[in-house]
Amino acid sequence: GNSVTQMEGPVTLSEEAFLTINCTYTATGYPSLFWYVQYPGEGLQLLLKATKADDKGSNKGFEATYRKETTSFHLEKGSVQVSDSAVYFCGLFRGGYNKLIFGAGTRLAVHP
Amino acid sequence: EADIYQTPRYLVIGTGKKITLECSQTMGHDKMYWYQQDPGMELHLIHYSYGVNSTEKGDLSSESTVSRIRTEHFPLTLESARPSHTSQYLCASSSSSGETDTQYFGPGTRLTVL
Repeated sequence: GNSVTQMEGPVTLSEEAFLTINCTYTATGYPSLFWYVQYPGEGLQLLLKATKADDKGSNKGFEATYRKETTSFHLEKGSVQVSDSAVYFCGLFRGGYNKLIFGAGTRLAVHP
Repeated sequence: EADIYQTPRYLVIGTGKKITLECSQTMGHDKMYWYQQDPGMELHLIHYSYGVNSTEKGDLSSESTVSRIRTEHFPLTLESARPSHTSQYLCASSSSSGETDTQYFGPGTRLTVL
């Protein structure tokens, strides 16, 4: 079946550190892949997406590359800020299944 | 401005009360969704609708019900709230043409049942 696995948190970093949040998926065919971010007390916001192999999604300094050979979509940022503290969700969408499947979420805490 | 609205944002209510969580969108989307988010953050799809008069149950069984009488409106109702219903409820919508794979979320309603 379709599933998403992302690294457990919390991830705690100092400001300006490099961030990686791992995400791997299981799916047949060619799903679209997403990262959403949830700030405290808010809903989910689309952070970035990629729709085919080797595509790179990017937004607000965050990047993720769709790697079909490793079934991965790891989120990276070169220099995190305190304002990046949030919960990050990896997700996949398969057209035939027609639903968005989320990982369990990874909480990121960035300290000054 | 195109957006998704949820009201109330916070609700504290006693056991046995009937409640309706409101969700409206001005995105022009025909698909709408309700998710329940537990304290451990995990998201569970509880209801979805692909258009007016179309509603389906999601992956997680829920005692709530939904209706879709207007395209832009997708309310969720609990006939008799219980403490086990305490959770964050998120509404989302997506288009059936163009960017069909992307869901856009409202700010959520945090429900506490005492």
